[in-house]
Amino acid sequence: GAGVSQSPRYKVAKRGQDVALRCDPISGHVSLFWYQQALGQGPEFLTYFQNEAQLDKSGLPSDRFFAERPEGSVSTLKIQRTQQEDSAVYLCASSPHISADHNEQFFGPGTRLTVL
Amino acid sequence: RKEVEQDPGPFNVPEGATVAFNCTYSNSASQSFFWYRQDCRKEPKLLMSVYSSGNEDGRFTAQLNRASQYISLLIRDSKLSDSATYLCVVRAPSNDYKLSFGAGTTVTVRA
Repeated sequence: GAGVSQSPRYKVAKRGQDVALRCDPISGHVSLFWYQQALGQGPEFLTYFQNEAQLDKSGLPSDRFFAERPEGSVSTLKIQRTQQEDSAVYLCASSPHISADHNEQFFGPGTRLTVL
Repeated sequence: RKEVEQDPGPFNVPEGATVAFNCTYSNSASQSFFWYRQDCRKEPKLLMSVYSSGNEDGRFTAQLNRASQYISLLIRDSKLSDSATYLCVVRAPSNDYKLSFGAGTTVTVRA
């Protein structure tokens, strides 16, 4: 079956540009997560949605980062006025349940953002 | 101090060898633990959960030591296809959705 998909796979932006990254989770998955993975590091939590509700945005690094999931399926991560330190792979993950022990998160292939 | 720390490696081992590595976590109240595998330029995928009593999945054995706050992964009879970065993952105790990842341990299995 279809997994989590993300687009674009690669994005090059000039410093100061706005970018929008899309995530299509696995159909029917309630939970959706965004992570940022810098080179040589593990993924860092950005934000969490349960259906359309953004329950946790504690990991967003600044107010230039904004995420939404208006209909509880597709999600968009928007970064305004991009800076070089925003260069990273942005991973989306989804999970079928609200909460459960050992609840696996299924990751998409990521969007590799390079800010020049 | 990072929540999850790992030896980055790389561990270079010949096919058929056994390789083992640990990670440590800082929050003693953490409840759930996992190993994810990430191939170069690919997404992380769940390798196995780590249970208190230790558990095996084929050639992979995971152990949890709560007293010392570390988790280990052992790979027996290494295959070329085991070459990857292994991410140690801990679930935050205050909620059960937030995962904290280590920076990963790179394993390279050579022929």
